[in-house]
Amino acid sequence: QVQLQESGPGLVKPSQTLSLTCTFSGGSITSATYSWNWIRQPAGKGLEWIGHIYASGRTSYNASLKSRVTISADTSKNQFSLRLTSVTAADTAVYYCARGFPYPWYMDVWGKGTSVTVSS
Amino acid sequence: DIQMTQSPSSLSASVGDRVTITCRASQNINVFLNWYQLQPGKAPKLLIYAASSLQSGVPSRFSGSGSGTDFTLTISSLQPEDIAVYFCQHSSSSSFIFGPGTKVDIK
Repeated sequence: QVQLQESGPGLVKPSQTLSLTCTFSGGSITSATYSWNWIRQPAGKGLEWIGHIYASGRTSYNASLKSRVTISADTSKNQFSLRLTSVTAADTAVYYCARGFPYPWYMDVWGKGTSVTVSS
Repeated sequence: DIQMTQSPSSLSASVGDRVTITCRASQNINVFLNWYQLQPGKAPKLLIYAASSLQSGVPSRFSGSGSGTDFTLTISSLQPEDIAVYFCQHSSSSSFIFGPGTKVDIK
């Protein structure tokens, strides 16, 4: 059974860098078929796509976050990661990782999410 | 930029009721529209992809329709386990845009 699991610090100080990892089990992130996505949901708000990476290393990011986001992959660990720099309270959210299925493009497997609070 | 809206923002219905949620795109998005269910403490769940295709394992009481700019998600007979927030999502090869969500609870 394929699964995704997010991990990382639950508390980050303002102006610092948020770093999260997503571990995929039941398959390989080296598959050329899928994209590997990060999505977040601030408390009381909707979902926001952050960006994704393909096995080739090609990435796409939400334009509103592009200057602060890096998504990378470690195929040896079957993991992909999110780095978000210069965080503020507005980055407080539940962060999800998800597998993206190719055309017609949807997210078929999600992690349960991890809560990150930005506070001093 | 494409904007996604949903209505209503919340609804309350009785068990067994037919429930319909609407999603509207600010421009033609063909059938590139997906629906997800979010429940507290659980992984979000894909219900419908490409506007009307039921994801494997999803109960048949869920259905989707529409194309272009107007889409609907229908629950034919609401069950207690359907209490959740439902999001539509426009998808493309390089970006995803979510609607604001519709909260569904039991009356």
